[in-house]
Amino acid sequence: GQQVMQIPQYQHVQEGEDFTTYCNSSTTLSNIQWYKQRPGGHPVFLIQLVKSGEVKKQKRLTFQFGEAKKNSSLHITATQTTDVGTYFCAGHGGSQGNLIFGKGTKLSVKP
Amino acid sequence: DADVTQTPRNRITKTGKRIMLECSQTKGHDRMYWYRQDPGLGLQLIYYSFDVKDINKGEISDGYSVSRQAQAKFSLSLESAIPNQTALYFCATSDLQRTHRGVYGYTFGSGTRLTVV
Repeated sequence: GQQVMQIPQYQHVQEGEDFTTYCNSSTTLSNIQWYKQRPGGHPVFLIQLVKSGEVKKQKRLTFQFGEAKKNSSLHITATQTTDVGTYFCAGHGGSQGNLIFGKGTKLSVKP
Repeated sequence: DADVTQTPRNRITKTGKRIMLECSQTKGHDRMYWYRQDPGLGLQLIYYSFDVKDINKGEISDGYSVSRQAQAKFSLSLESAIPNQTALYFCATSDLQRTHRGVYGYTFGSGTRLTVV
C-alpha cells in the first residue's frame, strides 16, 4: 500500500540554527499536509500544498511540494524554542482519499 | 469549548476488559477518524467514517470496532483489551469540500491515553 516516509526521525539543533524535514511518498500525491504536535499535545494542521512545485511560507517556515508530487519538505529558519515538537507530513493519494501520515520528525531546540 | 472532544483523557484498564473511547465534535464536519499513536510510529489509521451510514477499516483495525451514532459522534471500542493496545488514541474530523480547497486540514481531539495492564 501507499507509504509516506519522513526523515530524519529526530533532530537536535541549537537555537538559531536551521532545520529541515523531508517527506517522500511511494506514489504520486494529490496533495500533502503538514502538522505540528507539541510535546503532550495533539497534531495541529499547519498547511496544505496542492500544486506541483508549490512553495508556501509561514513566517520562518517554508514548505515545498516536489515537481513530481511525490516529495515535500519543511524548512525552519533560525529555530526558536517554541518550534519544539514533532512535525508530520501527511499525503492524500489513496483511492479512499485518506491521509497517510509519515512517522514524524521530532525537533528539539537547545537554548 | 473544544471543537473535537475525546473522553476519557486517560484510562487504565485490565487485559480482557471491554472499553469504549468516545469522540464528539461541534465543527459540523462529515468525516471522522480514529488514529493510534505509538512512539516512533507516527499516526496509524484504525477506522474512518465519511458519514453516519459509512464505516471503513483503516490500516490497523484488528481488535477494534467503531460506531457512528450521529454525525457528531464516533466511538471506538476495544472488545477485549490487550497490553499491546496501550497507546495514545486520537479522534479527528475533516470536511471534504474544505479539505480539497486547502482551507482546513484535519482537526484532532486532545487524545485519550490508554494503558492496558
